Amino acid sequence: EDKVVQSPLSLVVHEGDTVTLNCSYEVTNFRSLLWYKQEKKAPTFLFMLTSSGIEKKSGRLSSILDKKELFSILNITATQTGDSAIYLCAVEAASNTGKLIFGQGTTLQVKP
Amino acid sequence: GAGVSQSPRYKVAKRGQDVALRCDPISGHVSLFWYQQALGQGPEFLTYFQNEAQLDKSGLPSDRFFAERPEGSVSTLKIQRTQQEDSAVYLCASSFQGPKNIQYFGAGTRLSVL
Repeated sequence: EDKVVQSPLSLVVHEGDTVTLNCSYEVTNFRSLLWYKQEKKAPTFLFMLTSSGIEKKSGRLSSILDKKELFSILNITATQTGDSAIYLCAVEAASNTGKLIFGQGTTLQVKP
Repeated sequence: GAGVSQSPRYKVAKRGQDVALRCDPISGHVSLFWYQQALGQGPEFLTYFQNEAQLDKSGLPSDRFFAERPEGSVSTLKIQRTQQEDSAVYLCASSFQGPKNIQYFGAGTRLSVL
């Protein structure tokens, strides 16, 4: 059965800290891995990763995929209180539908 | 529109009532997905449309759940005879085309069944 596991489930840090969120997966015929940020509104897209070893960056956020070891990490440097959210990792397996299989999410709280 | 729009944002239903949840996808997006997100969990796939065709409904938890997208744009998720276990956030997402395209999500409808 296809599965996505995120760790840690929750994390509390102080502003300025760097955090690393983990996502491991077991899927048949992997196609892509996506990261979303979910606040009390629509989950917003962060990154889509399809190739191993190529880091994607957007400001203080970056992510990388390891298709051999079947995991991805999401790094946030110099955290701010506005980074407080649930971070969701999702995997698309090769199928006709493109449906996403989500992990449980990591709840990040950044304290001032 | 600018993004995926869902209505209502909140819905309270008595057990046994029928509910209808609406999703307006991004204009021009061919693919539309419904997900169910229980408290403290990640979203779980319910069903997928490509235009008006429902190509995958493998995630619908029971025959009380029904979705449609008759003109290939707006979609409605209907839940008949709601049960307490149906309480969740129902998220809609759309993408330009299905596989390997970014799905953009709406804010969801939070359904509470009393």
